[in-house]
Amino acid sequence: EAQVTQNPRYLITVTGKKLTVTCSQNMNHEYMSWYRQDPGLGLRQIYYSMNVEVTDKGDVPEGYKVSRKEKRNFPLILESPSPNQTSLYFCASSSWGTATYEQYFGPGTRLTVT
Amino acid sequence: TQLLEQSPQFLSIQEGENLTVYCNSSSVFSSLQWYRQEPGEGPVLLVTVVTGGEVKKLKRLTFQFGDARKDSSLHITAAQPGDTGLYLCAASSNTGKLIFGQGTTLQVKP
Repeated sequence: EAQVTQNPRYLITVTGKKLTVTCSQNMNHEYMSWYRQDPGLGLRQIYYSMNVEVTDKGDVPEGYKVSRKEKRNFPLILESPSPNQTSLYFCASSSWGTATYEQYFGPGTRLTVT
Repeated sequence: TQLLEQSPQFLSIQEGENLTVYCNSSSVFSSLQWYRQEPGEGPVLLVTVVTGGEVKKLKRLTFQFGDARKDSSLHITAAQPGDTGLYLCAASSNTGKLIFGQGTTLQVKP
């Protein structure tokens, strides 16, 4: 089954404790992206990657890091989480050859930083 | 900064009514997508429009891309409770960066 998986689905942590949210896709997609979703603000893009070893900032990259060492994986790293990073996070992937970037989303990770 | 403005933000209607959701921008986009999201799940793609003036139909849903490729609309005919959810428009440039509208929360009451 074609899918995007994220782990963990729920995470409660404390300020400053480094964490990683994993994302994996099995569709051989070149394009992968991370979003955060907050009430009233919709989905905002954090980082995206057009291919292995190629990453670019989205609209809200501050406080986040990503890496793309393999095509299927695109982890999101919070080196020193803060309460304003409490949010619902989605990973997505797309085949960018069509240039429309139709996104396949993962199930989401709800992060709470206290 | 490119922005996508969706309206209305909230819509509560009775089953059988028609509705239209709008997605507007001052920027020109190469394509525009509509997604639907249910609580606890990720958004799911409904349609992509690419050509200015394009109209696409998906059962009772009709999607239109503006002639200038700056705006789009989603029209639902005879809404049903199963249409309840968050509707999001999204646009991409050819750089790969995507932006989303704030979303329209639709509630259809039986």
